[in-house]
Amino acid sequence: ETGVTQTPRHLVMGMTNKKSLKCEQHLGHNAMYWYKQSAKKPLELMFVYSLEERVENNSVPSRFSPECPNSSHLFLHLHTLQPEDSALYLCASSQDPGGRASETQYFGPGTRLLVL
Amino acid sequence: SQKIEQNSEALNIQEGKTATLTCNYTNYSPAYLQWYRQDPGRGPVFLLLIRENEKEKRKERLKVTFDTTLKQSLFHITASQPADSATYLCALGENFNKFYFGSGTKLNVKP
Repeated sequence: ETGVTQTPRHLVMGMTNKKSLKCEQHLGHNAMYWYKQSAKKPLELMFVYSLEERVENNSVPSRFSPECPNSSHLFLHLHTLQPEDSALYLCASSQDPGGRASETQYFGPGTRLLVL
Repeated sequence: SQKIEQNSEALNIQEGKTATLTCNYTNYSPAYLQWYRQDPGRGPVFLLLIRENEKEKRKERLKVTFDTTLKQSLFHITASQPADSATYLCALGENFNKFYFGSGTKLNVKP
């Protein structure tokens, strides 16, 4: 176990549904991340939160909406997704040492999402 | 354009041999580079980090080199074991919120 948990592990949703992915880290870190991993493609960084403030949004469509209520929890709210959004969604956390190069990112097991 | 290249073809080696994986990049200025291991259906697991001012890092059977002139990192697993079979990802970090992964190379170690 890496200290980062994600729920649910698998999710099937229709294009008109609204669902949320949850991530929780038990490592005392101050930065959290959402990544998308599609087959045969590199991990794509979606959002970065540091000290509960969003510091990065890599041109992600508005149908993905992140929320970070505290430094231990991160959500990804999903609505009106497309079939091409089907992928593995990974959450990660790290300790940001004040803007210098970060150390290790610890990843959760991911949520396998299928959009029908 | 920016690019991180890892060999997309699987690397097949015999148990006991040294596996060498390559990560090449263009149009990045990484402050550090990391290697991760990913097993099917799991999230990546951190292995090693090497900074721009370091040439080589070792951890048990693992060795990473980083050549900022060649824009290349090599990842070595010595005395490879079937349990080392996985996909290995390199990741470049420019700072904590500028982080880029390669597509990974699948390693198969045959007994």
